[in-house]
Amino acid sequence: GEDVEQSLFLSVREGDSSVINCTYTDSSSTYLYWYKQEPGAGLQLLTYIFSNMDMKQDQRLTVLLNKKDKHLSLRIADTQTGDSAIYFCATRLTGGGNKLTFGTGTQLKVEL
Amino acid sequence: NAGVTQTPKFRILKIGQSMTLQCTQDMNHNYMYWYRQDPGMGLKLIYYSVGAGITDKGEVPNGYNVSRSTTEDFPLRLELAAPSQTSVYFCASSYSGGGHQPQHFGDGTRLSIL
Repeated sequence: GEDVEQSLFLSVREGDSSVINCTYTDSSSTYLYWYKQEPGAGLQLLTYIFSNMDMKQDQRLTVLLNKKDKHLSLRIADTQTGDSAIYFCATRLTGGGNKLTFGTGTQLKVEL
Repeated sequence: NAGVTQTPKFRILKIGQSMTLQCTQDMNHNYMYWYRQDPGMGLKLIYYSVGAGITDKGEVPNGYNVSRSTTEDFPLRLELAAPSQTSVYFCASSYSGGGHQPQHFGDGTRLSIL
């Protein structure tokens, strides 16, 4: 089955850019998602990209998809303390209904 | 707009007890899901439902049961609770399975089995 990997921690200074990386194994992934989880809360959809796209920009967020290497990244420009959270990458396979496979999550810490 | 509501938010159970985690959504979504989240791990799918009266197993269904008698509600039942079921449980819903249909999540139920 699909396997989704992320690094566990990332620390950045306020105002810098953050880049969170994700790798996946199944090339039939159709939609790829980024969710944000703040302490004590559920997951909030940040953005997504369809597999026929290489890049998607949404305000401070830029998603890059390298299908050849099965690599997805989320760049947050001008990172703020309010961006401190856990970020999950998730993939959805072709014909998989709407079932998602989640990565382990990357804890982003933004320091002053 | 309440979205996905889970109750209770916290619960402590003794080994061998049973309980039902409640989940309700007011978005008229057809699809509903139950996940568990363990420390340092991603979310694992327990059960899902594509409509009232239809449920199916996910990746980690053992020790759990579900039912879907209405579009709005999707309760998760734990029978004979075990310490391995200590986790945070999330319910989610989506409109359907086709195209871009994001899953909307509740705030979770934090369950400890002692």
